[in-house]
Amino acid sequence: GIQVEQSPPDLILQEGANSTLRCNFSDSVNNLQWFHQNPWGQLINLFYIPSGTKQNGRLSATTVATERYSLLYISSSQTTDSGVYFCAVAETQGGSEKLVFGKGTKLTVNP
Amino acid sequence: DGGITQSPKYLFRKEGQNVTLSCEQNLNHDAMYWYRQDPGQGLRLIYYSQIVNDFQKGDIAEGYSVSREKKESFPLTVTSAQKNPTAFYLCASSKGLGGYTFGSGTRLTVV
Repeated sequence: GIQVEQSPPDLILQEGANSTLRCNFSDSVNNLQWFHQNPWGQLINLFYIPSGTKQNGRLSATTVATERYSLLYISSSQTTDSGVYFCAVAETQGGSEKLVFGKGTKLTVNP
Repeated sequence: DGGITQSPKYLFRKEGQNVTLSCEQNLNHDAMYWYRQDPGQGLRLIYYSQIVNDFQKGDIAEGYSVSREKKESFPLTVTSAQKNPTAFYLCASSKGLGGYTFGSGTRLTVV
């Protein structure tokens, strides 16, 4: 099956700093998503980005499908950005689709 | 508002006991999923269902069972055969093309 690797595993920032999170995947995909898991465990869908670039406020994401990686940019980080960021890609088998997750990047933003 | 409801939020299981986790959605999504998350790990797929009365095993289905009798409901039973059930369980539904919605999760602990 498809493999998803995220880096770095842990990241500690001071409030106001910028950061880049990376996701590498082992096969071509037509569905890649970034999620944020807050400290209470809730997963929030940030971006659906199989290719190209999208921006939403201080967050933006870029996927280069031909080179099998995606980047999540966080600018002017805030303490509320803390949590775990997951990259997930869709794997299709026999007409069924399922999401395969990386192990995540744990982000801590200190005041 | 549409969404996914998981219950209970916290569940304690005695050794040798079966327990059932509830997942209900009112988003009219066809596909539903169960994931398990262990501390510091990504999400691993237990079972998924694309349509009513049909479901497939994920990567770690041993010791678990599901049913899909209604489009809105996808309960997960953790059986006594699951030797290490303590984990955080997340249910999701999808309309396809990136439209994944997650519930708020159930924390299961063996006592």
